[in-house]
Parts: sequence; C-alpha cells; structure tokens
Amino acid sequence: DVKVTQSSRYLVKRTGEKVFLECVQDMDHENMFWYRQDPGLGLRLIYFSYDVKMKEKGDIPEGYSVSREKKERFSLILESASTNQTSMYLCASSPIYRKSSEQYFGPGTRLTVT
Amino acid sequence: KNQVEQSPQSLIILEGKNCTLQCNYTVSPFSNLRWYKQDTGRGPVSLTIMTFSENTKSNGRYTATLDADTKQSSLHITASQLSDSASYICVVINTGGFKTIFGAGTRLFVKA
Repeated sequence: DVKVTQSSRYLVKRTGEKVFLECVQDMDHENMFWYRQDPGLGLRLIYFSYDVKMKEKGDIPEGYSVSREKKERFSLILESASTNQTSMYLCASSPIYRKSSEQYFGPGTRLTVT
Repeated sequence: KNQVEQSPQSLIILEGKNCTLQCNYTVSPFSNLRWYKQDTGRGPVSLTIMTFSENTKSNGRYTATLDADTKQSSLHITASQLSDSASYICVVINTGGFKTIFGAGTRLFVKA
C-alpha cells in the first residue's frame, strides 16, 4: 500500500513564526504536491514537485516555499506565518510525471496560527 | 474558467437508504474524473476514476456515472452504512493544462 505521512496532525503557531510541514512517501513516486483545504473552497494547490530539487508554483503559492532535497520528502515552509494561513494542509504523491495520475494523500496537518 | 461544482453541500440520510451526489464541471479539455472519499481528519482516498469514454464505474456500493456531453457526474451510494459518513470530492483532470481541479465536496452524514 502507498503510504504518505505528514509530520504533525495538529500544529499551533504564533503569527510571524517560521513553520515547517514535512511530508514523506514510501513508494518512490516522482510527483509530490502540497494543498490547503478550507471549508467551501475545496483543495487548492500551493506547490508541486516532479523531481528532486524541482518545484513549480500552484494556484496559491504566495507566503509559502517548498524544498525537495530527497525524492521521498517534500517540505512546505511558511516563512512568516499569518492568521490567514490557518488551514488544513494536505500532502499528496503520484507515481508518474503527468499530474493527471491518481494522487495519494497523507492524513493532513491542521495548522492554527494565532 | 475550469470549475467543478458539487451539490448538495451537505446531506443527512438514514442508515440503509440510498443517495446520489452530483458533480457538474466546466473543465476542458477533459481527461478523467475521479471521486474521492475523505473521512474526518484524514486525507482523501480514491473511489473511482472514469475517462470520457466510460459512463459508469462501480466500486462495491459506490457507483459513479459520467455524461461527458452534459459534463455531469453522479456518485450513487447504495444501502448506506454509518461508515459512509464522510466528504465526497469530485475531481476533474484537464489534459491540456495538466491541471487537477477539485470540487468543494459534499458532506454526507449517515444516521442510525
């Protein structure tokens, strides 16, 4: 079974803090994604990566950065957390280059910024 | 504009009853459509996938239909169980832009 894990299920941070969200997948997938999920809006793509050290902006990259130093690990960084970044963050991976492949999701990290 | 709209936003049904969730999309060009189930506090899990040439796909008590002409899909759940309580998300893939567009989901509550 594909397994995608995220470092924290719940996280509470203060405004202005630097926040790291980690995601690890164990199926040697090329593609990895970071989404945020807010009520009534569906999942919105923040960044994705199709290879080590490669990254592309999604629909809402502002205020975020990412890092992919190893194939199995994709990190989302909030340089200076703000209250409007309070959300559920979901990581996903997929097995081939095309983004249209099925994506396998992690359990999510619920981030609260106070 | 590529959009995926789901209805209803939420639904409450009694255990054992059937229900149908709707998904309308304006994504073009269309590649495939997926339905995901997301339990509370968990990530989405794929239920079905259909390409434009398929108009029905089943996965146990879940049956998805697709009408590529009217750009509509539905997810029918038969003999609902308490464990069906979850959000159901319709996802449409745009071939040309390699874009994945998520609907906002339908929240289903199954009551005993």
